[in-house]
Amino acid sequence: EPEVTQTPSHQVTQMGQEVILRCVPISNHLYFYWYRQILGQKVEFLVSFYNNEISEKSEIFDDQFSVERPDGSNFTLKIRSTKLEDSAMYFCASSEALLKLQETQYFGPGTRLLVL
Amino acid sequence: AQKITQTQPGMFVQEKEAVTLDCTYDTSDQSYGLFWYKQPSSGEMIFLIYQGSYDEQNATEGRYSLNFQKARKSANLVISASQLGDSAMYFCAMSTFGNEKLTFGTGTRLTIIP
Repeated sequence: EPEVTQTPSHQVTQMGQEVILRCVPISNHLYFYWYRQILGQKVEFLVSFYNNEISEKSEIFDDQFSVERPDGSNFTLKIRSTKLEDSAMYFCASSEALLKLQETQYFGPGTRLLVL
Repeated sequence: AQKITQTQPGMFVQEKEAVTLDCTYDTSDQSYGLFWYKQPSSGEMIFLIYQGSYDEQNATEGRYSLNFQKARKSANLVISASQLGDSAMYFCAMSTFGNEKLTFGTGTRLTIIP
């Protein structure tokens, strides 16, 4: 069964450093998302991406964040200068299309980011 | 804006019993979808079941069913014949038509007791 994959599974970084989180969405999916979950809290939407551009972003997704689809398979989230409060689990998700009322988003296993 | 409320932070249930996890939602949109995800201790988010706002029948997927009461704005997850492997966090989420982001509730931690 096709699945969303994410690398790395864990990342430890120093405050102020740049990190890139990588995702490979399900191959025939067209919509891609990033969410984050601070430890013990609920999952929060960061950004959605369709047709090579951001379709929606939350207020969390400020200038320190960027997303890219550098090739036909990868989808990346970059945090330019990490802060302590960026420590969280980051989930990538993908969905097939918005051709019907709602499309299910399938999540990857997550990258646990720890900023020291 | 949409909002999801899960009022049960934790539940303990005996193995083989049925369990209902509560979820209420708030939106002014007429077209929306409701989702349940399971998050085991390993951290991944596993899709369980989906209910569309215009679906007349309650959704079912194996041991999972969704008790959808539109007038009450509730979308409770029912797990029949619970198993030890059902122990996890369960999140209710929704999205509205044309706005694809998921809004999540705070989750319910379910523990199945042998």
